[in-house]
Amino acid sequence: DAKTTQPNSMESNEEEPVHLPCNHSTISGTDYIHWYRQLPSQGPEYVIHGLTSNVNNRMASLAIAEDRKSSTLILHRATLRDAAVYYCILRDHGQNFVFGPGTRLSVLP
Amino acid sequence: KAGVTQTPRYLIKTRGQQVTLSCSPISGHRSVSWYQQTPGQGLQFLFEYFSETQRNKGNFPGRFSGRQFSNSRSEMNVSTLELGDSALYLCASSLDRGRATGELFFGEGSRLTVL
Repeated sequence: DAKTTQPNSMESNEEEPVHLPCNHSTISGTDYIHWYRQLPSQGPEYVIHGLTSNVNNRMASLAIAEDRKSSTLILHRATLRDAAVYYCILRDHGQNFVFGPGTRLSVLP
Repeated sequence: KAGVTQTPRYLIKTRGQQVTLSCSPISGHRSVSWYQQTPGQGLQFLFEYFSETQRNKGNFPGRFSGRQFSNSRSEMNVSTLELGDSALYLCASSLDRGRATGELFFGEGSRLTVL
């Protein structure tokens, strides 16, 4: 079973920041937090991952709570192309990725 | 470099038939995983192959099987098709298996419709 909880859906206006939350209260010390997204009619694609510290890349930022029981994926300026289902996944060494239902993000022009 | 390639992209079968789907991973990637995606169940893990050996298997009946070849290409087979097998079948490759930081690269999927 997925070990994360995400809102079913969220809406954002174009060119505004988006904060996608994820709760993972049972996270273990060796679980990495991964985010993937699935655009319409495509397979999922990697967004970002982290362990304890906040992470930034060209696509997004990942803010991890100090107790690691929650995290937030931040899209700094949402575009229409960011409309997708976003999956928050915990993964430890040797484990497979377990995808939950994710958050469906709608971006309004 | 070329991404993960899945063939065929679309196919229609009837109940009781069998189907074989193919996946060519990114060059140099040795791990191939398969997922089934349906509107009701979401993305569900089927199995993972690494170095021609099945390393992990999800909770699917024995009608679902797979294999990996020495060039890392993988096939999955579903026998005695049922209506509920209609789904998008996604293949993902990665450099190695099991690293917590490893990234999965997905193909566009094979959409199977069972009539």
